[in-house]
Amino acid sequence: AQSVTQLGSHVSVSEGALVLLRCNYSSSVPPYLFWYVQYPNQGLQLLLKYTSAATLVKGINGFEAEFKKSETSFHLTKPSAHMSDAAEYFCAVSDHSSNTGKLIFGQGTTLQVKP
Amino acid sequence: ETGVTQSPTHLIKTRGQQVTLRCSSQSGHNTVSWYQQALGQGPQFIFQYYREEENGRGNFPPRFSGLQFPNYSSELNVNALELDDSALYLCASSRTSGGITSTDTQYFGPGTRLTVL
Repeated sequence: AQSVTQLGSHVSVSEGALVLLRCNYSSSVPPYLFWYVQYPNQGLQLLLKYTSAATLVKGINGFEAEFKKSETSFHLTKPSAHMSDAAEYFCAVSDHSSNTGKLIFGQGTTLQVKP
Repeated sequence: ETGVTQSPTHLIKTRGQQVTLRCSSQSGHNTVSWYQQALGQGPQFIFQYYREEENGRGNFPPRFSGLQFPNYSSELNVNALELDDSALYLCASSRTSGGITSTDTQYFGPGTRLTVL
């Protein structure tokens, strides 16, 4: 079975500081991994996805993530936090075992950005 | 390009009632998945519809059912509502050609907030 674990339910950074949100996955097959962002009272917006091409994936709003097979990780980073980055972030893995491509989500990490 | 839309935005029901939630998929998308997001949790897969048929179900009881229409829009129906059904219900659409793959990107709607009293 596939799963993801997001380390840290809350992360707080100062505006302009590095953002690092951690995600580790468990999968017996090469995973397809996604990061989504959820702003208050809204649905999920895709930030980026990894589908076995380049291991460093660039997404929207200056975010990027690096797939590290040896560490089973897919951490999300942004060099400089902006106040508008405050939101809930979800890491997800696509389920290979079904023919649905259903997403299996982590518990989420709330990012707080302090002025 | 129109994104995924859902209605209603909010809904309040009492235990035992039935509810229908609606979703219009993004233009050009033919697959719809439904997720339940309880407060403080990540979304959980309910089921998926492709070619107007259920194409996989998560760990949800049969009182959760759905439909997909020829225009690819979809409904989620929940019978005999329980307090634990209170959640944000998210619809996601994707475009599939030649079979669903794990790389298909799912685009989410804003969700319907269901409160069961």
